[in-house]
Amino acid sequence: GQNIDQPTEMTATEGAIVQINCTYQTSGFNGLFWYQQHAGEAPTFLSYNVLDGLEEKGRFSSFLSRSKGYSYLLLKELQMKDSASYLCAVDLDSNYQLIWGAGTKLIIKP
Amino acid sequence: ETGVTQSPTHLIKTRGQQVTLRCSSQSGHNTVSWYQQALGQGPQFIFQYYREEENGRGNFPPRFSGLQFPNYSSELNVNALELDDSALYLCASSLGRTSGNTIYFGEGSWLTVV
Repeated sequence: GQNIDQPTEMTATEGAIVQINCTYQTSGFNGLFWYQQHAGEAPTFLSYNVLDGLEEKGRFSSFLSRSKGYSYLLLKELQMKDSASYLCAVDLDSNYQLIWGAGTKLIIKP
Repeated sequence: ETGVTQSPTHLIKTRGQQVTLRCSSQSGHNTVSWYQQALGQGPQFIFQYYREEENGRGNFPPRFSGLQFPNYSSELNVNALELDDSALYLCASSLGRTSGNTIYFGEGSWLTVV
């Protein structure tokens, strides 16, 4: 079976740094996506990791370890607008679907 | 703005009825995937259409069906609605089949079955 785990909810302070973890056990692996989803809205693309290591994109960075089945999303200099759910999804290389985690709800406090 | 548009944005249906949801993909994208997202859950893959053919299907019953048109827009049809079908239905488009390609979501259609 396919399994993706993320913490259900995390709380952080404005201006701080937070790391959201994602572990996966899947039958295939081509890459891992991170999406941001504000309440009542559609998910928006943040990053796609294929190779091991850290990829930085402004305040957001994403890390992947294929051997450990592990990824994290790092958010720096947190802003109130970063309050959202963060979804990781595994690209199975099945050519047609992604397997999604349930998402981590991030709450930012002043 | 992803360029993917869905309609209607919200609708309420009665158990047993049928519903059709529509999606226009981003310009140039030939692949459309449909997802169901229940409250507090991640999206669940329903099916994907690539150049008007169904390209893959998730674990959904046959009463969930779809169509893709020559302009790559798509429809999701759900027959014999059940209360558990209440969810956000997301359409996502990509250039080429999903693997390795970023998918772009529309704003979704909120379906409530009463």
